Amino acid sequence: DIQMTQSPSSLSASVGDRVTITCRASQGIGNHLGWFQQKPGKAPKRLIYGASSLQSGVPSRFSGSGSGTDFTLTISSLQPEDFATYYCLQLINFPLTFGGGTKVEIK
Amino acid sequence: EVQLVQSGGGLVEPGGSLRLSCVGSGFYFTNVYMHWVRQAPGKGLEWVGRVRSNPDGGAADYAAAVQGRFRISREDSQRTLSLQMNSPKTYDTAVYYCCTSVGGGGTMDGHCGQGTLVTVSS
Repeated sequence: DIQMTQSPSSLSASVGDRVTITCRASQGIGNHLGWFQQKPGKAPKRLIYGASSLQSGVPSRFSGSGSGTDFTLTISSLQPEDFATYYCLQLINFPLTFGGGTKVEIK
Repeated sequence: EVQLVQSGGGLVEPGGSLRLSCVGSGFYFTNVYMHWVRQAPGKGLEWVGRVRSNPDGGAADYAAAVQGRFRISREDSQRTLSLQMNSPKTYDTAVYYCCTSVGGGGTMDGHCGQGTLVTVSS
């Protein structure tokens, strides 16, 4: 199975900060990666697909980059509604595997 | 607007059976691959399985942890996705989400239902 390692596992940031979350795959996955946001008690919401394509309706402050084994989710200016847990997901091989999550908390 | 409405969760004894359902609207259900994802209490997301669209063969793939015990099916005429859970184990306790194609780039892709809690306990 492909292992997805996210870092950091948690971070504290202030409104307006630039936030970067990384995800590393245990083997190359091309651009077959998605990013999801999840708030407590809510369903996951996809933000990014194909490593860098923005889901329709998602604010442009979210962006994704990377290919192969190293990927990044960036929030250019953190907003109050962005405090949540973020997960990466590889889609090149079964079983699909999620990263362990990054919890973004208020500083 | 894509909507996925889930039902069927609850308490089930180890070794019993339970069926979860997910009804889709706002998109052409027939052509969309569908996934189940779960989340154990206080844990991260875990992929459970996927079923192809029937025009693409309708086959399902599963995570090793549920292979041989769970079965994903779809009834396109009812716009319904199902997860049949047989012989559940205590570690299957989780909130289960149905999702439209988690990797696709269409406007209907990457959406998940509200989730349904399954508790496996005697």
